[in-house]
Formats: sequence, structure tokens, C-alpha cells
Amino acid sequence: AQKITQTQPGMFVQEKEAVTLDCTYDTSDQSYGLFWYKQPSSGEMIFLIYQGSYDEKNATEGRYSLNFQKARKSANLVISASQLGDSAMYFCAMRVYGNNRLAFGKGNQVVVIP
Amino acid sequence: ETGVTQTPRHLVMGMTNKKSLKCEQHLGHNAMYWYKQSAKKPLELMFVYSLEERVENNSVPSRFSPECPNSSHLFLHLHTLQPEDSALYLCASSQDRIGTSGQETQYFGPGTRLLVL
Repeated sequence: AQKITQTQPGMFVQEKEAVTLDCTYDTSDQSYGLFWYKQPSSGEMIFLIYQGSYDEKNATEGRYSLNFQKARKSANLVISASQLGDSAMYFCAMRVYGNNRLAFGKGNQVVVIP
Repeated sequence: ETGVTQTPRHLVMGMTNKKSLKCEQHLGHNAMYWYKQSAKKPLELMFVYSLEERVENNSVPSRFSPECPNSSHLFLHLHTLQPEDSALYLCASSQDRIGTSGQETQYFGPGTRLLVL
């Protein structure tokens, strides 16, 4: 079974600064995908970025980048130039080859302050 | 806009009521999912439908009954729920292919906030 660990306490971030959200995972599978989602207070789970286990380069998507360290089984999300609208819960998730199941971590709370 | 809609957005029901949650995806996907999100818990996968066939049922109590009449619509029928069933219920969809590598992104709807009294 896959396990996703997000242990950081709630974070306050100054507007325009960068923030790194930690995610580690545990799996014996070699082929898998890693995802980050954002959930604002409205409840909708918004897809942010994807990293494949065989991708050689770290994924980037606008202000979001994923620091993928396969040997350490970590997939940290970096948000650059934080904006007030970035205040939300952020979830790391993983899906393995041939499996419909998307395993989620418990999430990181981020509050961006002006 | 994610292309996945859910109704109602909020629902309050008594333990003896019967209600249904509806999910519709406009993305042309072939797989749909129900998740439950309780306070301070990770998202829990409840049901998976692929090509309108239920492929996963994660030991969900029978008071939750899913229905997938076509690839665009997914329902969750609720009957004699308990207060501990109060949660945010999220629907998602994805386009799954044979020989997948785990990369198929799931897109979520806005959720239904359910309160059982």
C-alpha cells in the first residue's frame, strides 16, 4: 500500500515570498505518478502539478515547481512569489501503475499574509 | 472551472432521510470516483467506476449506494446515514488508458458538504 506523509504544521507566508511544502512517500512500485492539489476554503480540489517517476526533469507549472528526489522518495512543492489567493490546504498524492487509487496525504495549511 | 460539477453543494439531512448526490463531468473522461473528506483525515476513496463498471468498493457501508448510468454521470444514494457520515463528499473523473503509468490526473468537483443530524 502507498503512504503519503505531510507533517508540516500550518504555515504563514509573507506575500511575494516563496514557500516549500514537504511531501514524502512510500511505495515498492517503480512506476508511479505524484500530484499536488490545492483546496481553498470553498472545498474544491484543484490540480496543480504532476511528476512521473521516470521523468528526469523536475516538473514546473507557472509559479509551481516540484522538487523530485526519487532516491529520498520526496516530492516537495515550491510556490514562488506567493499571492493572497494561494491561502489554502495543499495535498500531495500518488498513484501507481495500473491502479485507480489516488493516495493522499493529510495536507499542509498555508496562509499568505500581506 | 474544472469541468466537474456536483449538486447539491450543501445538504442537511436527518438519519431517516433518503437523498442523492449528483456528479457530472464534461471532460469526456471514462472513469469517475467518489471520495469522502472528514475533518483532519486524509481523503478516503469510496468508489471507482471505470467505463461505467464499478471496479472498486472500499468497504463502504451499504447505506451508501453508488450509481453510474453513463460515463458522464455519477450518483451517490444516501439512506439512514449516521452523524459520523457528515463530511465533504468529492467527485472526481479521469481518462484512464490501458497500460497506464499512473499519470492520469483526476479532476475534482467542488464537493457536497453533508451534515447528518
